Amino acid sequence: DADVTQTPRNRITKTGKRIMLECSQTKGHDRMYWYRQDPGLGLRLIYYSFDVKDINKGEISDGYSVSRQAQAKFSLSLESAIPNQTALYFCATSDRLAVLSTDTQYFGPGTRLTVL
Amino acid sequence: AQSVTQLGSHVSVSEGALVLLRCNYSSSVPPYLFWYVQYPNQGLQLLLKYTSAATLVKGINGFEAEFKKSETSFHLTKPSAHMSDAAEYFCAVSDRGSTLGRLYFGRGTQLTVWP
Repeated sequence: DADVTQTPRNRITKTGKRIMLECSQTKGHDRMYWYRQDPGLGLRLIYYSFDVKDINKGEISDGYSVSRQAQAKFSLSLESAIPNQTALYFCATSDRLAVLSTDTQYFGPGTRLTVL
Repeated sequence: AQSVTQLGSHVSVSEGALVLLRCNYSSSVPPYLFWYVQYPNQGLQLLLKYTSAATLVKGINGFEAEFKKSETSFHLTKPSAHMSDAAEYFCAVSDRGSTLGRLYFGRGTQLTVWP
């Protein structure tokens, strides 16, 4: 079974709808991240979380919100989706508590979101 | 903040030819450096990483990268390309001096391998 899972894998929605993307991990890592990928722009950080009580904005957080329901779960919400939020979204985890932590991140398979 | 520059958004090589994907970073101290690969319709997979041990790092699938502090570079190479290497490759850097543990990604290089 995959260590980092994302649901749904694909979603088509309409402008103005509320959308939630979910991420779960079985790696036991403390840190979780949400990125979006757009062609030619690489990955850009939306939000990241150090633990359940610590959530931080990334470089492109406007229009998004997150919830860390448990150490293993980190959800991304689009309160009112707009077409320019059409992108591939990735969740990632890392283990900063490890003695030899090297900030390596492990990625889920991605969610392809289309906003019409 | 850190930054990463990948020279060439698209690289094309023939099967069996040398693969060279370029990555330069900006950092005041040697960071952790990573190469990730993304195959079509998949997530990012760690290819290799530099964490201040040997400057020549070997990864999966025959890839390797050399950390050159004087050039602030971490170029990815493979002696002989295979059709299965066709994918998008991302270079990333982590600021070792930060408690944030975040990665900064380059814009990616799409590798095409011709038969």
